[in-house]
Amino acid sequence: EAGVTQSPRYAVLQEGQAVSFWCDPISGHDTLYWYQQPRDQGPQLLVYFRDEAVIDNSQLPSDRFSAVRPKGTNSTLKIQSAKQGDTATYLCASSLSARANSDYTFGSGTRLLVI
Amino acid sequence: GDSVTQTEGPVTVSESESLIINCTYSATSIAYPNLFWYVRYPGEGLQLLLKVITAGQKGSSRGFEATYNKETTSFHLQKASVQESDSAVYYCALRDTNAYKVIFGKGTHLHVLP
Repeated sequence: EAGVTQSPRYAVLQEGQAVSFWCDPISGHDTLYWYQQPRDQGPQLLVYFRDEAVIDNSQLPSDRFSAVRPKGTNSTLKIQSAKQGDTATYLCASSLSARANSDYTFGSGTRLLVI
Repeated sequence: GDSVTQTEGPVTVSESESLIINCTYSATSIAYPNLFWYVRYPGEGLQLLLKVITAGQKGSSRGFEATYNKETTSFHLQKASVQESDSAVYYCALRDTNAYKVIFGKGTHLHVLP
């Protein structure tokens, strides 16, 4: 089966610019996650969806970050006005909630540099 | 809160040497945490290496082993004889059985010298 696909692979922005990241999860996976991974840190959950519904976005900086999954398949994460502190790799993962202890499958990530 | 602490890297070993990467966890809000080791090889995405969902059990994969020790809240990763191809970043992680959020450690860079 195809894996989790993310694009773009890299993005370089100046502070104040906007950027969107796109994720195509594994077909049939109803749960989708966005993680932020700063350099030399572990991934940290930003938001996750079950189908099109946001289940937990408590760690998403709501003033500048937004995430949608309108049809319960692909998802977009957007940063409205990027800051240098947003420099990180953004990871998307998906899983099948119906399976007990379902494992995540991660995409390769989008590396963002804000200068 | 819930957290994971692991060996700070980088860790450098020579091929055929043994390896241990320490991992301890705190699961104050999770009664039965599931424990994981993930790995990211150079140029690749994060992937699951092994997992254990029951305390006292051992997981193994690709020659690596880790035992879920609830008494010491540890889940150390071990390998008897590493290979150059094991060079990667290793992440210890935990998750609540009935939840979806995975909490990761900071990662340990492993360099295996030929």
